Amino acid sequence: EAQVTQNPRYLITVTGKKLTVTCSQNMNHEYMSWYRQDPGLGLRQIYYSMNVEVTDKGDVPEGYKVSRKEKRNFPLILESPSPNQTSLYFCASSLVRSGFYFINTEAFFGQGTRLTVV
Amino acid sequence: RKEVEQDPGPFNVPEGATVAFNCTYSNSASQSFFWYRQDCRKEPKLLMSVYSSGNEDGRFTAQLNRASQYISLLIRDSKLSDSATYLCVVNTGNQFYFGTGTSLTVIP
Repeated sequence: EAQVTQNPRYLITVTGKKLTVTCSQNMNHEYMSWYRQDPGLGLRQIYYSMNVEVTDKGDVPEGYKVSRKEKRNFPLILESPSPNQTSLYFCASSLVRSGFYFINTEAFFGQGTRLTVV
Repeated sequence: RKEVEQDPGPFNVPEGATVAFNCTYSNSASQSFFWYRQDCRKEPKLLMSVYSSGNEDGRFTAQLNRASQYISLLIRDSKLSDSATYLCVVNTGNQFYFGTGTSLTVIP
């Protein structure tokens, strides 16, 4: 089954304790990205990756790191979590069609990780 | 200015009604457009892609007006199961931009 898998689904942690949220996709998609969703603000992109070893900042990258060592995996790292990073996080992947422009096809989302930092 | 703007609603409509959602985007270079559905803080799921020629999938019709930078979604004959939040999504450059979503409740 084609899917994007995130772990853990729920996490409560304390301020400053490093954590990693994993994301894996089995669709051989080039493009992967991380979002956070907060009430009234919608989904905002944290980081994205166009392919292996290619990552770039989205709109809200502060306090996060990512890596893309393999095509299927795109972990999100919070080196020193703070309470303002309490949110619902989604990982997503999509194909990239290349032509005159690079165009993303639709994004497939993981089930989400609800993170609480106390 | 936000990249994508949507009317947040909520829209409360009776079963069988027709309801329309609108969305505007700010970047004329945007390349691809989608409507997603999200149920109660679950993951967003693709409802349909949106093309300049307009496209229809059963009770759902999506339209794109590039000149006005405007996207619409029409739902006909609303069902209780259509109750959800509908997200307008625009792909610009290498990024996806999401509207804040429009909440729909279909009432028996």
